[in-house]
Amino acid sequence: TQLLEQSPQFLSIQEGENLTVYCNSSSVFSSLQWYRQEPGEGPVLLVTVVTGGEVKKLKRLTFQFGDARKDSSLHITAAQPGDTGLYLCAGESISNFGNEKLTFGTGTRLTIIP
Amino acid sequence: DAGITQSPRHKVTETGTPVTLRCHQTENHRYMYWYRQDPGHGLRLIHYSYGVKDTDKGEVSDGYSVSRSKTEDFLLTLESATSSQTSVYFCAISEKSGFSHTDTQYFGPGTRLTVL
Repeated sequence: TQLLEQSPQFLSIQEGENLTVYCNSSSVFSSLQWYRQEPGEGPVLLVTVVTGGEVKKLKRLTFQFGDARKDSSLHITAAQPGDTGLYLCAGESISNFGNEKLTFGTGTRLTIIP
Repeated sequence: DAGITQSPRHKVTETGTPVTLRCHQTENHRYMYWYRQDPGHGLRLIHYSYGVKDTDKGEVSDGYSVSRSKTEDFLLTLESATSSQTSVYFCAISEKSGFSHTDTQYFGPGTRLTVL
């Protein structure tokens, strides 16, 4: 069974601070997706990284895929209250039946204090 | 926002009763999915559909069945609800296979189910 462990599980910081959350696995993934989920809503895709070592920026959010494609990180600069939410990573891989599958991580619940 | 609705949004039921959750889309997407979300487990796939009357099992399909008689509707049924099925259920849709980075899954707002 492939597992994606996210850390920290909970993070509460002041507005304006920087933070990094991690998504780690012992398995290799073809690609890695990051989602943000707000209370009472479903997850929304933020970004997909495909190449080992790839870095993508989305305004104040920087996503990196590990060189070995087993891990990823999300760095937020100057956090704002609007960044509050549950951040999920999801890894794409090939199942035992030869088709694609998506494995979701356990999530990091981020709270930005004004 | 993708046109996805789920009904009901909240439900409380008793152990042993049947429960049906509905997902409705207005995007005419081919693929539809049912996930459950539990603390410490992230999202886990229950069943998915790749067309009308075409469905397949996910990683946690035991105790659940699905049906898709129309492109726009995907029903999830708990034949005899158990307390372990207390969870938040999310429906998702995608135009092509949402398991690949070449497509995107769009999620509904979720249904909170409590089985007493």
